[in-house]
Amino acid sequence: AQTVTQSQPEMSVQEAETVTLSCTYDTSENNYYLFWYKQPPSRQMILVIRQEAYKQQNATENRFSVNFQKAAKSFSLKISDSQLGDTAMYFCAFSLTYGGSQGNLIFGKGTKLSVKP
Amino acid sequence: NAGVTQTPKFQVLKTGQSMTLQCAQDMNHNSMYWYRQDPGMGLRLIYYSASEGTTDKGEVPNGYNVSRLNKREFSLRLESAAPSQTSVYFCASSEGTSINSQYFGPGTRLTVL
Repeated sequence: AQTVTQSQPEMSVQEAETVTLSCTYDTSENNYYLFWYKQPPSRQMILVIRQEAYKQQNATENRFSVNFQKAAKSFSLKISDSQLGDTAMYFCAFSLTYGGSQGNLIFGKGTKLSVKP
Repeated sequence: NAGVTQTPKFQVLKTGQSMTLQCAQDMNHNSMYWYRQDPGMGLRLIYYSASEGTTDKGEVPNGYNVSRLNKREFSLRLESAAPSQTSVYFCASSEGTSINSQYFGPGTRLTVL
């Protein structure tokens, strides 16, 4: 079975600074996807960034980037130039790419990020 | 293009009552999902539908039923609500291909008294 662990329940960062959120996962599979989702106070789940396990290059989306370490089963999210609108819960998630569970997401418990002015 | 929509946004039920949560997507996605989110927890999968006409159990299916009415719509039914089902429910959809990015609805906050 796959598991996702986020070891930082809460974090804070000053506006314009950089923050890194940690995520580790456990799986015996070789092909999978990893995601970071953002959940602001509105509760909507918003996809931030996605990483395919077969790609060695780390994914980036504007101010958001990941550090994917496949051997260590680590998938951290770096937010650069933090903005007040980045205040939210951030969830790390995992999914397989085949079989009956294709597309099913397994979530970590989340990290609450507060960006302070 | 509304994405994924859910109704209702809020609902209060008494123990033993039944209700159906509705979900619709206009992105022509093949796969749809129902999750629940409890305080201090990530989302947990209740049921999913990999394609029209198929449904499968997820991690926490007990006490729920689902119907994939057509490609657009995927409903979640609570036949006899219990206080343990108090939660926020999210519907999601994805293309069901190797992309596997799920798009979520705004959620339904359900309270069972």
